[in-house]
Order: sequence, then C-alpha cells, then structure tokens
Amino acid sequence: GQQLNQSPQSMFIQEGEDVSMNCTSSSIFNTWLWYKQDPGEGPVLLIALYKAGELTSNGRLTAQFGITRKDSFLNISASIPSDVGIYFCAGTKEYALNFGKGTSLLVTP
Amino acid sequence: GAVVSQHPSRVICKSGTSVKIECRSLDFQATTMFWYRQFPKKSLMLMATSNEGSKATYEQGVEKDKFLINHASLTLSTLTVTSAHPEDSSFYICSARTGALTEAFFGQGTRLTVV
Repeated sequence: GQQLNQSPQSMFIQEGEDVSMNCTSSSIFNTWLWYKQDPGEGPVLLIALYKAGELTSNGRLTAQFGITRKDSFLNISASIPSDVGIYFCAGTKEYALNFGKGTSLLVTP
Repeated sequence: GAVVSQHPSRVICKSGTSVKIECRSLDFQATTMFWYRQFPKKSLMLMATSNEGSKATYEQGVEKDKFLINHASLTLSTLTVTSAHPEDSSFYICSARTGALTEAFFGQGTRLTVV
C-alpha cells in the first residue's frame, strides 16, 4: 500500500520533555490511526481519529486529524522511559490501510 | 480495544519445511485481515490482504505460492510459509478489522527463524 510520510524518523529525548511527530500524505484519508510498537511485539492502537479537525487525547497523548484530511500529528507530553518504542501512523482509505515508516523514540531518564 | 491473537509467537524450523501461523480475532468478526512482514528497525511491509471467504490479494513482489493465506472464517486467518529458507526469517504480524473504515488491531507477531 501507499506509504505515508512520517517524521521525524527517530527522536532521542530526556524524560519529562514533550514529543511531537506527524504524518502527511498526498491523498485524503477517512481515518487516521496512531500505533505504538514495543520490541518483539505487535503494534498497539493508541488513538483513532475519524473526522477532519478532530482532536483526541488519551492520557498524555494527543492526536489531531488535519483539516485537509491529508495529515495528522501525535504529541506526547511529559515523556517517561516507558514511552520508548516505535510509533506508526496509519491512514485508511476505502479498504486500504496505509502505514508511515515509523518514528523511533528513545527516552533517557 | 479488540483482541487479536497470533500463534505461535516464536518458531524455529528447518530449511525446506513449512510453517503455519494463525491469526484469530477473539471478540469480533474480522471481515478483513492483513499480513505484514517486518525487518529489524524497519516499518511494516504489507504482504497480503485477505477477506473472509475469498482469495487473498497479494502485494507486488510477494509470492502467493510461497506465502499461502487462508481466511476460512470471520475469526481465523492463517499464513503458511512453504518450503521455508533462511531468507524467510523475519517477524510476521497480522492485523484484523471489521469494516472498511474502522481501525485495525494487531496480533502479537511471530518471530520465524529458519535454520
């Protein structure tokens, strides 16, 4: 499927810092999803966004569905060591599910 | 969220043998299941999409005769790696969804090592 443009590719931050990552596409998507993958595990759904402009929070995580329906961002506030992992964005369009290449997050105590 | 169970989590097999990986949706009916392959520190590479009761749609470059996918029921899809070779060693992950516009849920992944 079509790859989304996800950035940054990796982040190395200190505990307590805020984190922001985003995904863009040349195509319009109907749904934006954000997943986290721990090493050796399958991705786990963090946030699902269904409407353009929608802003949704899940604890320290906040994600928004861009107004143009071609982008989304994920923010993590006050990062902690267990936030370490790879974060993937995904967009759905008709029956396809397209993934970004992931953002690898490292958090130092 | 919905639960997708993938089994086995790890498997080691001899070169030339076949390996079957199961993906089950435990508390919902999965009309569509996806199979991915993931290399170390890389993104998810979609291998194929399967809809219940019909043949899987394979991505370009994925050999359908080598990676057999069966989606016989709304809760089970299987991926069989036939005549496995060391280059087939990888992390295989399935995901399942109930409809065209709903989120997909992932299994835990299967680490396949071919020796």
